[in-house]
Amino acid sequence: DAGVIQSPRHEVTEMGQEVTLRCKPISGHDYLFWYRQTMMRGLELLIYFNNNVPIDDSGMPEDRFSAKMPNASFSTLKIQPSEPRDSAVYFCASTLGGGGTGNQPQHFGDGTRLSIL
Amino acid sequence: KQEVTQIPAALSVPEGENLVLNCSFTDSAIYNLQWFRQDPGKGLTSLLLIQSSQREQTSGRLNASLDKSSGRSTLYIAASQPGDSATYLCAVRRSDSWGKLQFGAGTQVVVTP
Repeated sequence: DAGVIQSPRHEVTEMGQEVTLRCKPISGHDYLFWYRQTMMRGLELLIYFNNNVPIDDSGMPEDRFSAKMPNASFSTLKIQPSEPRDSAVYFCASTLGGGGTGNQPQHFGDGTRLSIL
Repeated sequence: KQEVTQIPAALSVPEGENLVLNCSFTDSAIYNLQWFRQDPGKGLTSLLLIQSSQREQTSGRLNASLDKSSGRSTLYIAASQPGDSATYLCAVRRSDSWGKLQFGAGTQVVVTP
């Protein structure tokens, strides 16, 4: 089975540009998570969705960040305008939770390494 | 606020030795605890998930224990191999926040042949 698919794998862009990261969760999973990983702060949850609806976006650092999930098989994380401090690895993860015990592991994509110059 | 700590930050052992990785958390009101492995340039791979009502979970050479009252979990990897070299992270899910995992900073493991 295909895992969580993220694109692009690497993104280098200049400060002020718009950046869009993409994620395709595992088919059938009803929860989707966006994380950011840096050396200084480790792994941080940015936002998560349940059945395409944003549930908790308290980890989104600023209004420059936005996330959408237009359908069950696609999500985007957008940064506009981008800044050098946004440089990090961004991970998407999904899991099956609805109706279950809540004890299913999260499955991660390989991440997008973002560099803002 | 839940804090998750992993000590040591890095560990190097010769092949064949058993690995012991530690994870501590400050708030015992957790729903479950997960151990992940991260290889360079890759995402996280779930290794074991321990429910709050469980004391341990085993998978092959891996065994994870959980002591909620003392806020500790330990991951044991028996008879380590060079392929076990990776960063190992633990994460706790709080009882009052579905889906939100709080991660430790990880332990970087190197197994030398």
